[in-house]
This record gives sequence, structure tokens and C-alpha cells, in this order.
Amino acid sequence: GQQVMQIPQYQHVQEGEDFTTYCNSSTTLSNIQWYKQRPGGHPVFLIQLVKSGEVKKQKRLTFQFGEAKKNSSLHITATQTTDVGTYFCAWSPGNQFYFGTGTSLTVIP
Amino acid sequence: GAGVSQSPSNKVTEKGKDVELRCDPISGHTALYWYRQSLGQGLEFLIYFQGNSAPDKSGLPSDRFSAERTGGSVSTLTIQRTQQEDSAVYLCASSLTTGGNQPQHFGDGTRLSIL
Repeated sequence: GQQVMQIPQYQHVQEGEDFTTYCNSSTTLSNIQWYKQRPGGHPVFLIQLVKSGEVKKQKRLTFQFGEAKKNSSLHITATQTTDVGTYFCAWSPGNQFYFGTGTSLTVIP
Repeated sequence: GAGVSQSPSNKVTEKGKDVELRCDPISGHTALYWYRQSLGQGLEFLIYFQGNSAPDKSGLPSDRFSAERTGGSVSTLTIQRTQQEDSAVYLCASSLTTGGNQPQHFGDGTRLSIL
């Protein structure tokens, strides 16, 4: 079956440092979504990537979809304390929906 | 509000009791998903509904779990004879349709604690 690994599981950064989380699949993904879950909150949709090699930006966040559509990354430039939370990638092989294991980001002021 | 609504927000019950969790999706969203999230863990897919089609129950962990969706809108997730390992946050999400092209909108979840 389809295997998607999300790394790292945890990341602690000093405020102002950059942060990246990766999702790597054993098979080609039709598309990939990214969600953020604040502590005590629910996942909130950030973005969807569909095209091979696609790059999208949202302010300090940069999302990439690999050329082979087997991997994706979320990069945050100059982290702020408001970036704290767990970031999940998600994919849908058909109608079901699966989430990565998540990367928990801690930002140290 | 126009978001996904879940109730109750918290539920504490004794082992062996049945519990019923409710989800009211965003109006017009035909797809509805249930997930389970244990403390510090990711989201475990449980079941989804698409319109009036038969639900995909492939993620339900045991036959103690069941779900229904009445009139294509409100859904209830029922757990019979609860066990301590059922303790988790149960999240509901809705989207316009199923499939990976639609963002999922989550409710605040029901935090279930089995004593």
C-alpha cells in the first residue's frame, strides 16, 4: 500500500530561524494538502498542491511538490511564536483521506 | 456560525458504556469524515460519507464502532461497550465533495475519556 513518511517528528527552533517539514511517498500522489493544528485546536487547511514541481507561497510559508509527485515540503522562513503547532501533510488515494504523522514545531522566543 | 459543529465537546464515561458523538457539517458539504486523534498523535481515518452513497467504513477499528448520517447532513458516531483505549479526540470534517481536491473543514472535536 501507499506509504507516506513525514519528518521530522519534532522540531525546536529559535525564533527567527527557518523550519522545514517533509513528506515522502513510496508512490506517486495525485495531489497533497497541508494543514496546521495549533495546540488544543483542530487542523486548519493551509494549501493544496497538484502539479509536478509546483511551488506556492503564503507570506513566510513556501510549499513545494516534487517533480515526481512523490514528495512535498513546507518551509517557514524566520519563524515566529505564532507558527507553533503541528503541521500535517494529507493525501487522498480516491475518496479516503490520510494524514501524515505530523511535525510538531516549537518556537523558542 | 457556518463552521463544522461537534457535540459534546467533552465526554467522560465509564468503561463498558455506549457513547454517541454528533457532527453537524457545513451546509452544502456532501462529504463528511470522522477521524480519531490520540494524544500527541496524528489523525486516524475512521469513516467517510459522500452524499447518499454507502459509507466507507474501512477505517473503523472494531465492530463496536458505527456511524450514520441522516438526510445527508448530521452524522453520529456511536461507540458501544467503550474501552479505555477508545479515549481520544474524535474529529469530524466536511468538504464539498470527497476526494483530494477539496480542503477539509474540521470541527473542534469531542474529547472522549473512558474511566
